[in-house]
Amino acid sequence: QVQLVESEGGVVQPGRSLRLSCTASGFTFSDFSMHWVRQAPGEGLEWVAVIRFDGTREHYADSVEGRFTISRDNSKRELYLQLNSLRPEDTATYYCAREGPGSTWSHFDNWGQGTLVTVSS
Amino acid sequence: QSALTQPASVSGSPGQSITISCTGTSSDVGGYNYVSWYQQHPGKVPKVLIYEVTNRPSGVSSRFSGSKSGNTASLIISGLQAEDEADYYCNSYTSSSTFVFGTGTKVTVL
Repeated sequence: QVQLVESEGGVVQPGRSLRLSCTASGFTFSDFSMHWVRQAPGEGLEWVAVIRFDGTREHYADSVEGRFTISRDNSKRELYLQLNSLRPEDTATYYCAREGPGSTWSHFDNWGQGTLVTVSS
Repeated sequence: QSALTQPASVSGSPGQSITISCTGTSSDVGGYNYVSWYQQHPGKVPKVLIYEVTNRPSGVSSRFSGSKSGNTASLIISGLQAEDEADYYCNSYTSSSTFVFGTGTKVTVL
């Protein structure tokens, strides 16, 4: 079955960096576009970024553009999110999510369990 | 990228039908048939209920259905059950090749 497992998050000081990873299994990773979605404590869902199945296209939410970078290594079946210049408002549980099958980007059909990133001094 | 607008809360009695609205603009909900809906129970991972406005993944109850008119999408839950008490979020693809979630709706079963 599809499994997505995020790396451990942690507590990071404002202005510092962190890299999250997501290891995929149970499907052909290189066939699927992938997303990151986050949820601040007690708040709603916020879409963060998407990367095309072959890594040739990526898009970001305005709130993270220029600070976060999504990438992937299909040979390792891994998805990454590099978080730079972190701010307290980036505190959230970060989920990796698989795009649904097909050539269009339309929804998130499988989710990881999420990893908590806390930005605090 | 403003969040799509959903009612903060909707409630209903067991067996009733409820509708959750999701209002966006012509640059997201109104411009594409790429609206999806997610259910999230407290402390749990979101689960897709509806994708591409009306499609239901295998394994999702037929009590959940979706529709769209103009810039507003809707999730209908029929035959409301206690297990339906959860938070619900809509999501849409946008003209910027990004995605945007709704503000979220808490469903209470009376």
